[in-house]
Amino acid sequence: DAGVTQSPTHLIKTRGQQVTLRCSPKSGHDTVSWYQQALGQGPQFIFQYYEEEERQRGNFPDRFSGHQFPNYSSELNVNALLLGDSALYLCASRSGEDEAFFGQGTRLTVV
Amino acid sequence: QKEVEQDPGPLSVPEGAIVSLNCTYSNSAFQYFMWYRQYSRKGPELLMYTYSSGNKEDGRFTAQVDKSSKYISLFIRDSQPSDSATYLCAIGVWGNNRLAFGKGNQVVVIP
Repeated sequence: DAGVTQSPTHLIKTRGQQVTLRCSPKSGHDTVSWYQQALGQGPQFIFQYYEEEERQRGNFPDRFSGHQFPNYSSELNVNALLLGDSALYLCASRSGEDEAFFGQGTRLTVV
Repeated sequence: QKEVEQDPGPLSVPEGAIVSLNCTYSNSAFQYFMWYRQYSRKGPELLMYTYSSGNKEDGRFTAQVDKSSKYISLFIRDSQPSDSATYLCAIGVWGNNRLAFGKGNQVVVIP
């Protein structure tokens, strides 16, 4: 079992650009959540996808959007990047109320 | 008031010591509690998952929950240099997949 996999591992983008991050959930998991973790902080919830729909959303602007595919994999899109968007972006998957497992994250640097 | 408070101060202990970490939370609706370990520049790794008051042990790790005081703790016995990492508490509500995280505690175990 490969667990939760994220790609790419690192990314450097310029202010104003758009970025797409990808996540494949752990086998058997159908729910995917995305978190943003700034340096020295705990992860902050962005949104959660289940059955290809956004079910919950944290306090993030509309520049952050996502998608879930029929195979449960997910994408996180961020438009009009700001310097403050530089962070580790984490994907977590779970099934029902079971434990949430995280991927290794994508480190995004906006310059 | 933040949902989850975790004193982020770094903690240095000698090898073999007991490490004690804790979080407090404000919302009595929180029902399940997790502790994650995060190595530098990696994703969080689930250590403990519990949903009832009392103690739960797993090897050298003990998670303690006091719902009446809204206080959770993690104890690491016989600490090893490999335990050096950041420890994050995460709290959730049944039926709501969003996890609320503390800021994390950086622990350094000195050989």
